[in-house]
Amino acid sequence: ETGVTQSPTHLIKTRGQQVTLRCSSQSGHNTVSWYQQALGQGPQFIFQYYREEENGRGNFPPRFSGLQFPNYSSELNVNALELDDSALYLCASSGGGARPGELFFGEGSRLTVL
Amino acid sequence: GESVGLHLPTLSVQEGDNSIINCAYSNSASDYFIWYKQESGKGPQFIIDIRSNMDKRQGQRVTVLLNKTVKHLSLQIAATQPGDSAVYFCAENPRMDSSYKLIFGSGTRLLVRP
Repeated sequence: ETGVTQSPTHLIKTRGQQVTLRCSSQSGHNTVSWYQQALGQGPQFIFQYYREEENGRGNFPPRFSGLQFPNYSSELNVNALELDDSALYLCASSGGGARPGELFFGEGSRLTVL
Repeated sequence: GESVGLHLPTLSVQEGDNSIINCAYSNSASDYFIWYKQESGKGPQFIIDIRSNMDKRQGQRVTVLLNKTVKHLSLQIAATQPGDSAVYFCAENPRMDSSYKLIFGSGTRLLVRP
C-alpha cells in the first residue's frame, strides 16, 4: 500500500464526453504526477503539479488538464474524449524526503472510451 | 517509451535462479535512472535507482548496472522468487531536479517457474 488512492477505479465513457479522475496523495507529499498507461506499454508522463502549480508537462494536448488542491490532492480532467484515450491513468505522489525518482503510485483509474 | 503493443518481452526463470532484465535508454543527457516493478492490477512500485556518476548500485537482492557508453541499464535479481513475477520497467529522468518527469521504457515481463 502506497497511501495514494484514486477514484473511480473503472469507468466507461463515450467519445466526446468529459471525465474527471481524482487522486489523494500520500501524507507528507507535495508533488503529484499523472501518467497514462496504454495496455501493454509503459506509463507516459502527462503532467506534474507542485504546490498547486503545473510543474512540467508531457506531450499531451490541452484537453488534458489538471488541478492540485491545498491539501495536495489532485484531479485530472480530459475533455472531448477520443477512443485512444482508453487507458489506465496513474497518479503518483512524491516528495517528503523520498529519493528523487521514487514515485508512489496509486492503483489507477481504468478508462474505457466507446 | 517505445511501443511494443500487447506483446511484452518475457523472461522465464526457475525459482532460485538469478534474473537479468535489460533496458536500452534513449537520451544521452539523462542523469538518473530507476527500475520499477508492476504487478497485475497495481501501480508501478519503486525498486532501485542509480545516478549517472555510478556504474553499479546494490539493494536487497537486486543490483542495477549502468553502462553509459552504450546507453544500457540492467537489473539483476538474485535468487528469484515467485513474488518477483511482474512487469519490470526502466525509467530515465532527463533532469534530476524538482520535476520528477520519468520516461518509462516498454517493460519486460518476468515469469518465475516453481
